[in-house]
Amino acid sequence: GAGVSQSPRYKVAKRGQDVALRCDPISGHVSLFWYQQALGQGPEFLTYFQNEAQLDKSGLPSDRFFAERPEGSVSTLKIQRTQQEDSAVYLCASSLKRRGETQYFGPGTRLLVL
Amino acid sequence: ILNVEQSPQSLHVQEGDSTNFTCSFPSSNFYALHWYRWETAKSPEALFVMTLNGDEKKKGRISATLNTKEGYSYLYIKGSQPEDSATYLCAFGPSNTGKLIFGQGTTLQVKP
Repeated sequence: GAGVSQSPRYKVAKRGQDVALRCDPISGHVSLFWYQQALGQGPEFLTYFQNEAQLDKSGLPSDRFFAERPEGSVSTLKIQRTQQEDSAVYLCASSLKRRGETQYFGPGTRLLVL
Repeated sequence: ILNVEQSPQSLHVQEGDSTNFTCSFPSSNFYALHWYRWETAKSPEALFVMTLNGDEKKKGRISATLNTKEGYSYLYIKGSQPEDSATYLCAFGPSNTGKLIFGQGTTLQVKP
């Protein structure tokens, strides 16, 4: 079956530009997670949705980062006024229910801010 | 601060060698320990989820063990093949949240 998909796969933005990253989870998966992976590091948690409710946004690094999942399926991560330190791979994952279950990852969006 | 450490950071082995990596995680507030394999330009692939102390899981030539009391997990690859070349990530799942806390990964390169 179809896995988690993310678009775009690559994004080059000029500093100060707004970007929107899309995640299509596996159909029927309740939970959706966003992670950020900087070069040479492991993925770091950004935010978590259960259906359309954003239950944890403790990992969002600043108020320039905003995520939504309005209908409980597709999610968008928006970064306003991008900075060079936002350059990273942004990974989306979904799981059937909640904690302890396997999270299925998309291929990520590689963002480069110049 | 919850910290997950993986060692070694990178590893180069010859085809046919067996190898193992270590993941250290907090021994308190434990719910699950996950292992992923991540090949370049692909999605991270789930290998194992382990929840019970003493758990051992196996998938082909890859196996993993879990010690929640002392906070470590080992991943073993028997008879490494070039297609095993990837970054192996472990992730700790705390009991009070759905998020995963990842280590920095071990990058394995298997030479033919």
